[in-house]
Amino acid sequence: DGGITQSPKYLFRKEGQNVTLSCEQNLNHDAMYWYRQDPGQGLRLIYYSQIVNDFQKGDIAEGYSVSREKKESFPLTVTSAQKNPTAFYLCASSDLATAAYNEQFFGPGTRLTVL
Amino acid sequence: AQSVAQPEDQVNVAEGNPLTVKCTYSVSGNPYLFWYVQYPNRGLQFLLKYITGDNLVKGSYGFEAEFNKSQTSFHLKKPSALVSDSALYFCAVRYAGNNRKLIWGLGTSLAVNP
Repeated sequence: DGGITQSPKYLFRKEGQNVTLSCEQNLNHDAMYWYRQDPGQGLRLIYYSQIVNDFQKGDIAEGYSVSREKKESFPLTVTSAQKNPTAFYLCASSDLATAAYNEQFFGPGTRLTVL
Repeated sequence: AQSVAQPEDQVNVAEGNPLTVKCTYSVSGNPYLFWYVQYPNRGLQFLLKYITGDNLVKGSYGFEAEFNKSQTSFHLKKPSALVSDSALYFCAVRYAGNNRKLIWGLGTSLAVNP
């Protein structure tokens, strides 16, 4: 099966803790993205990467960090600096990042709750 | 500023009736337009896209969308709604010259009543 996997599906975190969300794709896509989804706010871009060992901040990068050491993996760390991290996090990928007409493929999401 | 608007937060339609979910956009340059669907607690699924050519685009699950350049719209349609079509629908646009990220609408919740 080709696709994007995210783990875990549900994640609970205590205030002050860093947590890392996993995203893996076997589609051989160049580009990968992290979005945050809150009710009524649509999707907001956190970070994206067009190539291994390179990534750029999106619209709401503060309090988050990423790495892209392998083409198939793009983990997201939610740090204690993120003031309101409770949300649904979606990872996506697309082929040929420079092709504007390529659609993005999404993983099933991780729901993070801060206790 | 580049933007996408989905003017209706919620759309209700009876099963078997035609449905329309509206999307308008504002971008400079030629737009690339996309529709996605999201079922509860799931990721987004791609439905269809407009790149160029025929203004009527057909996609997955019987959905289609019509690109209207003069009205800057890309409404999603289906001739006969199913209860299983009930979900959250997102419109997104990327324009020529900015291939890095999509501009997303806030979503429209579609409820199909039996």
